[in-house]
Amino acid sequence: QVQLVESGGAVVQPGGSLRLSCTASGFTFSIDAMHWVRQAPGKGLEWAAMIWYDGNTKYYADSVKGRFTISRDNSKNTLYLQMNSLKVEDTAVYYCARDPPQSGWAFAMWGQGTMVSVSS
Amino acid sequence: QSVLTQPPSASGTPGQRVTISCSGSSSDIGSNTVNWYQQVPGTAPKLLIYRNNQRPSGVPDRISGSKSGTSASLAISGLQSEDEADYYCAAWHASLNGVVFGGGTKLTVL
Repeated sequence: QVQLVESGGAVVQPGGSLRLSCTASGFTFSIDAMHWVRQAPGKGLEWAAMIWYDGNTKYYADSVKGRFTISRDNSKNTLYLQMNSLKVEDTAVYYCARDPPQSGWAFAMWGQGTMVSVSS
Repeated sequence: QSVLTQPPSASGTPGQRVTISCSGSSSDIGSNTVNWYQQVPGTAPKLLIYRNNQRPSGVPDRISGSKSGTSASLAISGLQSEDEADYYCAAWHASLNGVVFGGGTKLTVL
């Protein structure tokens, strides 16, 4: 079954850290770029970070740069997002999404999302 | 404030054709392809159109996309109640080195 499954969401205090995981199955994970996209409650979609298929190139939105780190383990078909120095405004559902070759930066498939709440 | 501009809402009656616009700049839509997503509230987004006008397998041909200059449009013909959802456009932004989204358009089927 082709799917992405996120995990790791939790309630955390401002300044805290959290690591999200996204496990892929049913497709060749190692050839796709991967992204994290978030959605604050009642708001629109916001792109957060991306990593190339081989892990050698990474890009971040200005809102998370310096605090979040995206990584992947192709041997485990897993994508990660290490989130440090969390702020209240990081509260959102976090989705991982696959970006196949030649798709034009299209998020061809999304996970179900994992909720991160930053609150004191 | 989103980088790409969409109308916040759109509506139509069953069977009608509706279009949703997406306006950007030379750094995003003007130099890269546009993708469109549908999100039913409470669920994950779904890819509707990629590379301006390509439909993934399973997306009906009554849904189409187009692009001209720094603007793009999503058209849905033969409107159905199941089309009621939020729609987002997105494109790669060359200067920001990231994907930018529109603010989303809530489509209501009257």
